[in-house]
This record gives sequence, C-alpha cells and structure tokens, in this order.
Amino acid sequence: GAGVSQSPSNKVTEKGKDVELRCDPISGHTALYWYRQSLGQGLEFLIYFQGNSAPDKSGLPSDRFSAERTGGSVSTLTIQRTQQEDSAVYLCASRRLAGDPKQFFGPGTRLTVL
Amino acid sequence: TQLLEQSPQFLSIQEGENLTVYCNSSSVFSSLQWYRQEPGEGPVLLVTVVTGGEVKKLKRLTFQFGDARKDSSLHITAAQTGDTGLYLCAGNINAGGTSYGKLTFGQGTILTVHP
Repeated sequence: GAGVSQSPSNKVTEKGKDVELRCDPISGHTALYWYRQSLGQGLEFLIYFQGNSAPDKSGLPSDRFSAERTGGSVSTLTIQRTQQEDSAVYLCASRRLAGDPKQFFGPGTRLTVL
Repeated sequence: TQLLEQSPQFLSIQEGENLTVYCNSSSVFSSLQWYRQEPGEGPVLLVTVVTGGEVKKLKRLTFQFGDARKDSSLHITAAQTGDTGLYLCAGNINAGGTSYGKLTFGQGTILTVHP
C-alpha cells in the first residue's frame, strides 16, 4: 500500500479481555516498530522488528504484551488481560532499509479499556 | 530521565510571527527527525538530519542539527494557521553501523497559530 495501515482504528474493550492490534507496513519496508502514545507519557517505544525477528523488545511494559511479525510484513501486537492503564494510542511505523533512518507512521489504534 | 528535552511545551502565536522549537540532549544522536501530528492521526515525517551542523529547509520551515549532534531546532517563518499542530523531535541514539533502532521522542510542542 501507499502508507502504513493499522486496524482497528478504535477499540473499546473491558478490563481483563485480550486485544489484538494489526499493522501493515509500507510494502518492501524491512523494519517495523510499535510505539504507544498517551497523555502522561508521550510517545514510547515498545518493540522493533527487523524482518521477522525482534532484536529490541525493551519497551514492552509487561509480559501481558507480545508481538509477532510473519512473512516480514504484517505485525500483530497482543495485549492480554487488559488493564485501564493500557488505554492509549498504539502507533506502528516502518522503515525501508538498514541504512535509512526515516520511520513512517500509521494512523494508530486508539485503545480504550473500560 | 528524559533523554530528549523539547521546548517550549506550548506555543501560542499570531499568524505572521516567527517561532523556534528546541530539542536538546546530553546524548549523541546518529540521526534526528522532526514530525508533525494532527489530532486523530499518526505523526507525519517532516525532515531527517544525520550530519552535525546540517541545515535543511522545507518552505517556511528551517531545521538545524547541532555540530555535536546533541541538539536540533525547528524554525518557522511567518507562521500560518495551517501550521497548528503537535511538533515532535525524535532521535536514534548511537545506532552505530548502518542500522537504526528505536526512536526516542521529545515531549512535543503544541503550536497554535491564531488568525
């Protein structure tokens, strides 16, 4: 596609439920990133994929958070047993090549945990 | 500890005025990027700078990367109401080699330009 796409755009869930957020990177981009944006914390890094492997998972806030990437393309971020503090906008970004620093962001998924 | 200090946090000006947003760190960045974000949308990349002392211009926007690659500024000349939005600086810290990892973001500057 022309840009990074994310789905759903909005997700409302009840505390304790699991959610899956999807990211489709720009075609041909080798690297994929997940970030979280909330009012109090700004924009925070969660996890980075190069191809299908995740060399940096340092931003995942707890073991309830996991992500995978298959086929070097689509990625899914899963949050288990959601808590109210998980409410935020989850942003995905992709980058073309190892030597190119530019990251391009999707529109985000707004997650609300009731 | 905030690795990237961005200032000011809020900026409210009249159309036609000039403004500068600053981004500072004690760390060296291998690259630094400026984004603009509007409500309900993802950040949109404005510019990437990688060389110390580099200056890039995008119409009325001028971006500068410090000589030591620890700071950057965004200057807007003759601001317009369409410039209103959240401006974010973000950097790769000492990525090394030819690969770039995560971005570290500043707190953001909310710019409001009044007609």
